[in-house]
This record gives sequence, structure tokens and C-alpha cells, in this order.
Amino acid sequence: GQNIDQPTEMTATEGAIVQINCTYQTSGFNGLFWYQQHAGEAPTFLSYNVLDGLEEKGRFSSFLSRSKGYSYLLLKELQMKDSASYLCAAWNSNYQLIWGAGTKLIIKP
Amino acid sequence: GAVVSQHPSRVICKSGTSVKIECRSLDFQATTMFWYRQFPKQSLMLMATSNEGSKATYEQGVEKDKFLINHASLTLSTLTVTSAHPEDSSFYICSARSYSGGASAPQETQYFGPGTRLLVL
Repeated sequence: GQNIDQPTEMTATEGAIVQINCTYQTSGFNGLFWYQQHAGEAPTFLSYNVLDGLEEKGRFSSFLSRSKGYSYLLLKELQMKDSASYLCAAWNSNYQLIWGAGTKLIIKP
Repeated sequence: GAVVSQHPSRVICKSGTSVKIECRSLDFQATTMFWYRQFPKQSLMLMATSNEGSKATYEQGVEKDKFLINHASLTLSTLTVTSAHPEDSSFYICSARSYSGGASAPQETQYFGPGTRLLVL
């Protein structure tokens, strides 16, 4: 079967760093996405990795290891507005997005 | 990044009526669009894949006669919820696959519309 695993909830402190892990099993693979979703809103695109390695984009970085079926999203210098759900999703060989259930990130002052 | 719009953003209707939701890719052409449904505190559930000029592909358990999808052009897909009932109340989100992108963006990715909140009374 196809599935995406990520932690249900994480808590971090304002100004700190947090890493949200994601493991995936899909029939074929064409890349992995991270989306941010605030309550009551649609997801917004954060990152896309298709090659192994780390992609840095401001305070957010995303890492992919295809051989391990593993990715993480790294958020630095956390701000209160970063409190949201973070969704990991992988494209399979048919370009269908397989979704994780999302990780709810709670930022405390 | 690419922009996808949805209209309306919110709709309240009576049970038994039909509701049409539009999804537009504003600055790129999308041969493939996707329709999702999301219930409170749950993840996105793919309803169907909409392909321009052909019939939509529905996920298992989604009634094609109830959720009519039309992808008449490269920038517009519509979802019509026919004979809506209270259990159809949900957050409906479309997304479009983009193959364009500059140096600061990946060459292909999937962008989401802002969503349509449907409440059926």
C-alpha cells in the first residue's frame, strides 16, 4: 500500500528550531511536497524535493533521502505565526499526491 | 508562485439544491486539476482528478453523478454538488498542477486554491 507517516503534533518554543519528519511509501516516486495549512484555510506550498539533499528557503529548509523514503522540514527562528499544520505529500508514479495526515505545530512564547 | 482562485469562498444552501464551485488557474495553464474535500481536523481527501477535455477520474467511494466535474478549458474546472445534503457540508479545495516556474520555483508543482466552505442546511 501507499502511505505517509508524520507525527500528529509537535510543540516548540518561539525563536527555536523544529524538525518535522516524514516517511513515505509510494508506488513510484516523483517528488515530495511540504505544505503549511492554517486552521480554516487551504494549504500553501512550502517546498518540493525530487533530488536527495537539503533545499533551503529562508527560515524553512526541506531534506529528502530517496533511498530511505524520508524527508524532513526544518523551521528556524520560530515565530508565533508558524503555528499551523504541516502536510507532507508525495507524488507517486502516476503523479497522484499521497497525503500524510499532517503535523500540528504549536509554538509557545 | 502560481495563483489558483476559487469561487465562491463560502456558500450556504438549502438541502436539495445544486452548488457550482469554480477553480481557475490565473497565470498558468493547467491540464490537470484536482478536487479535494476536507472535514474539520482531518487531512485532505482527493475526490477526483480533472483532465482538460476529457472525463474526470473519480476516487473510490465518490459518486460521479453527485459531484459533477467539468474541465472545459486549460484554466477552468468546475465542481457541481448536485442535490446537496447536510452531510455534503465541507471545505472543498481545488489544486492545479503547474509545469511552469522560474529559477526560484520548482519546474512543476501543485498549487491550491483558497477553498470553498459549503454549508447545506
